[in-house]
Amino acid sequence: QKEVEQNSGPLSVPEGAIASLNCTYSDRGSQSFFWYRQYSGKSPELIMFIYSNGDKEDGRFTAQLNKASQYVSLLIRDSQPSDSATYLCAVKIDSWGKLQFGAGTQVVVTP
Amino acid sequence: DGGITQSPKYLFRKEGQNVTLSCEQNLNHDAMYWYRQDPGQGLRLIYYSQIVNDFQKGDIAEGYSVSREKKESFPLTVTSAQKNPTAFYLCASSLSGRLSVYNEQFFGPGTRLTVL
Repeated sequence: QKEVEQNSGPLSVPEGAIASLNCTYSDRGSQSFFWYRQYSGKSPELIMFIYSNGDKEDGRFTAQLNKASQYVSLLIRDSQPSDSATYLCAVKIDSWGKLQFGAGTQVVVTP
Repeated sequence: DGGITQSPKYLFRKEGQNVTLSCEQNLNHDAMYWYRQDPGQGLRLIYYSQIVNDFQKGDIAEGYSVSREKKESFPLTVTSAQKNPTAFYLCASSLSGRLSVYNEQFFGPGTRLTVL
């Protein structure tokens, strides 16, 4: 069984600080990685995807990938109360696009 | 206005009843997926379909059935054989893996099913 692991949290972050979320995966052959944000009671929303080792930045979000360590992370800079949500890490596990999801990390941004 | 729609938003089922959840997309995506989410947990794959008239079981297919007669539609039936169906059901779609490197999945708003 291919696994995706995340700390469940909650991760408490002061407003304006950097939130750092981590995700590890078991399948060394995985190539594509996704971060989704899910507000309470709502469906997941794609916020970032990354395929190459290194960093990818999009606004206040930065995804970091290290395939050798089987580790992907998400940084949220200048955290805002509206960033309070659960963040799901997902890994593409076959060539057709099937994803394996982690259980999610809850982030709480405190004013 | 492109997107994925799911209906109903809330659904209540009595013991022993079959119920069908609707999922429609107008994104011209080939692949469609059904997930189940329980409180405090991640998404678990129920069924998925890469092309019309073909679908595969996911990790928790027992007690569920699907059909894929049209590219735009992928309804899910929760049968009476599913012993604990109360959950949040999410439908997603993506370009087929054979046509895209990316395969980002986009989600509908979800259906919350409660067994009475």
